[in-house]
Amino acid sequence: KAGVTQTPRYLIKTRGQQVTLSCSPISGHRSVSWYQQTPGQGLQFLFEYFSETQRNKGNFPGRFSGRQFSNSRSEMNVSTLELGDSALYLCASSSIRDRGPYEQYFGPGTRLTVT
Amino acid sequence: KNEVEQSPQNLTAQEGEFITINCSYSVGISALHWLQQHPGGGIVSLFMLSSGKKKHGRLIATINIQEKHSSLHITASHPRDSAVYICAVRNEETSGSRLTFGEGTQLTVNP
Repeated sequence: KAGVTQTPRYLIKTRGQQVTLSCSPISGHRSVSWYQQTPGQGLQFLFEYFSETQRNKGNFPGRFSGRQFSNSRSEMNVSTLELGDSALYLCASSSIRDRGPYEQYFGPGTRLTVT
Repeated sequence: KNEVEQSPQNLTAQEGEFITINCSYSVGISALHWLQQHPGGGIVSLFMLSSGKKKHGRLIATINIQEKHSSLHITASHPRDSAVYICAVRNEETSGSRLTFGEGTQLTVNP
């Protein structure tokens, strides 16, 4: 089985622009979670999508949004980029069953630099 | 205080040494994960625990639910074990896959 893939792997944007990142989960996995990793804050949960619905949302401003398609692929969007949005963005997929806990499989990440 | 605390933050060892990384958490959990992150960013899940002990090769993970504490042990450490090790928990009151992470332990194993 192919692993979790993320595109693009690297991205440079300018303050004020918007960006869309993509995540393709492992085939058959219906849950996709997004995380932000920065040197100052470490790894933080952004949101989780399951069957095209947002299940959980972390403490991030409304500039951060996401969606999931019927094939379970997910995108996250950041509007009006700020310098502090420079980070490694990771997604992880899970095969959700009726009872947890659920193993998570991480993608390689997208490194976003905002200048 | 963070929900998940790891110690030590940095650890340097000589090849062959036995290594222990500790993780304490303050919430009720349904699972605890040990993750490994190499330079470049990719994260690999090493263990997912809800009780007891698991072993994979030279790696051993234990958890004590009553004491809210977990340890990751590496036996016969090797330079290729050099990485950041991250403890993460799934809060039992949260549905889905949301994880809360510790700050990570930077491990360097010298030959």
